[in-house]
Amino acid sequence: QLVESGGGLVQPGGSLRLSCAASGFTFSRHYMHWVRQVPGKGLVWVSRINDEGSSTSYADSVKGRFTISRDNAKNTLYLQMNSLRVEDTAMYYCARDDFGSYVYWGQGTLVTVSS
Amino acid sequence: QSALTQPPSASGSPGQSVTISCTGTSSDVGGFNYVSWYQQHPGKVPKVLIYEVSKRPSGVPDRFSGSKSGNTASLTVSGLQAEDEADYYCSSYAGSNKMVFGGGTKLTVL
Repeated sequence: QLVESGGGLVQPGGSLRLSCAASGFTFSRHYMHWVRQVPGKGLVWVSRINDEGSSTSYADSVKGRFTISRDNAKNTLYLQMNSLRVEDTAMYYCARDDFGSYVYWGQGTLVTVSS
Repeated sequence: QSALTQPPSASGSPGQSVTISCTGTSSDVGGFNYVSWYQQHPGKVPKVLIYEVSKRPSGVPDRFSGSKSGNTASLTVSGLQAEDEADYYCSSYAGSNKMVFGGGTKLTVL
């Protein structure tokens, strides 16, 4: 099970930290991703972190502003989002990587960037 | 990285087959066998239907099948049912530890 939290309303230029609590599987053995979706629009890949937390990658649209991390002792994935823009408004999902696909998804947490 | 190209809509009558395409480049779809397909009903979390181009997770009906030729992947839904009406997304590994999704296809069962 994956449960996201930390979403909410933030002003442009502000910051938010999303969390994704994992349970029911060995979290430290899996790569993890963040995927976002503007309501009514398509899925967009945001970021990925390897099992150890030593390797990260980002979509060009968030690189330099967002930071993905994980705490394997706490079974938790994070997404630190800085310098938020109106276009970052979306539902943010965490997802477990299984052979390059996402079998397990969280329910999502909504981030709204607006003044 | 540019989104993979999917037709915005597709349709078919119950019992018919429909195929949804997903076109990328040699840097994503054509370069790797890590293409997946997802089904998303309104207000729901996406559900994986196909992974690694043509493999089905347990529990996914064999009415759903995937294939790839060159830079284009395809999802075929056979024996269309009313509950297949949903949005469908493809995704692919795009190298450099990055992923890319398609823009999505709205499937209507007539």
